[in-house]
Amino acid sequence: GAGVSQSPSNKVTEKGKDVELRCDPISGHTALYWYRQSLGQGLEFLIYFQGNSAPDKSGLPSDRFSAERTGGSVSTLTIQRTQQEDSAVYLCASSPAVNTEAFFGQGTRLTVV
Amino acid sequence: AQTVTQSQPEMSVQEAETVTLSCTYDTSENNYYLFWYKQPPSRQMILVIRQEAYKQQNATENRFSVNFQKAAKSFSLKISDSQLGDTAMYFCAFMKFKGGSEKLVFGKGMKLTVNP
Repeated sequence: GAGVSQSPSNKVTEKGKDVELRCDPISGHTALYWYRQSLGQGLEFLIYFQGNSAPDKSGLPSDRFSAERTGGSVSTLTIQRTQQEDSAVYLCASSPAVNTEAFFGQGTRLTVV
Repeated sequence: AQTVTQSQPEMSVQEAETVTLSCTYDTSENNYYLFWYKQPPSRQMILVIRQEAYKQQNATENRFSVNFQKAAKSFSLKISDSQLGDTAMYFCAFMKFKGGSEKLVFGKGMKLTVNP
């Protein structure tokens, strides 16, 4: 596709359930980012993948959060045993190796009830 | 660690007027990039403008321009001839550069409202 694609666009889940959020980056982009945006707040860095390097996981808020990037392309962010404070918009972005501009998806709005 | 500060949480301006959004950052790096992103109610983050730290000339992009003061670690965005479509959250962002792109660090954002 032409841009970064995220699915689902909205997700409502019950407290304690696991959820998976998907990100399809722009083809050929080696860098991929996940951010969390709570209502009216800024972007909180979660995790960063760059090519074959070990990911920077320094922003993951707890061990309930994990992310994978398979084949250097699609990424999945998994939240286990969801809590109400996990409710937020989760944004994914990708960028090419040379040009540093990051292109964002439209995000997944997660609501934990 | 790098930090980005946007001290004004909210501003409003009349259509056709000029408005300046402030941003300061803290880093010990010498090579880096600075960005302004716009997030309208649609939630889609859009790059407005970027500045390479090694360039002294301020970046411009149509009605958008920056005032980059490297020594003061300041990076403000000027929007000229404001339009209703400029209403959005604006985020300042920093990225250090060491042989390849690194993660983006964002400020908390500023809500801009353009009034008719």
